[in-house]
Amino acid sequence: EVQLVESGGVVVHPGGSLRLSCAASGFTFDDYAMHWVRQAPGKGLEWVSLISWDGSSTKYVASVKGRFTISRDNSKNSLYLQMNSLRTEDTALYYCVKPGYCSGGSCYYYFDSWGQGTLVTVSS
Amino acid sequence: SYEVTQPPSVSVSPGQTASITCSGDKLGDRYACWYQQKPGQSPVLVIYQDNKRPSWIPERFSGSNSGNTATLTISGTQAMDEADYYCQAWDSSNVLFGGGTKLTVL
Repeated sequence: EVQLVESGGVVVHPGGSLRLSCAASGFTFDDYAMHWVRQAPGKGLEWVSLISWDGSSTKYVASVKGRFTISRDNSKNSLYLQMNSLRTEDTALYYCVKPGYCSGGSCYYYFDSWGQGTLVTVSS
Repeated sequence: SYEVTQPPSVSVSPGQTASITCSGDKLGDRYACWYQQKPGQSPVLVIYQDNKRPSWIPERFSGSNSGNTATLTISGTQAMDEADYYCQAWDSSNVLFGGGTKLTVL
């Protein structure tokens, strides 16, 4: 059974930093690119970032580019999101998500597994 | 930038067919998928690659994607299907979610 367990969400002041973690199990972690998706309170889903299976390629939504850094440690089956220069609009539940199919470094980006999310609140 | 749009809300009577649309320029040239999210829960994949259903999803859920519109259809809608539904499209560089549709079963 696939499990994705996020952690690290707290209340932080604007301009602060935070590192989210996601512990993965139940699948071959380094076969898959991994993503972060967020959901502001009462709002819809927003894709945030992806990282390739080996960490060599990363992409970000425009609103976080230059402030957030996605990374992974395949030896620990873990995904991370370093969040700097946080803004109030970054307040959201952050989900770690796994694509439904990856093979040979290429993935189909539908998400068949989601964590329970970790809540980041940016407030003064 | 590319966008996909959904109606904010759809209502359906129990036992009837619900259709939720997702619109985007040449959306049919991309793969679309759909998620169901109930209050306080993480999203659940209900349709992927336009019209494929995960093994854990009932047969009453189906999908299509052509031209500029992808559609999620729920046949014989049940009270338990009341939820928010999100479409999602992707290409080699981007992953995009629609704004979500609240399905009310009344």
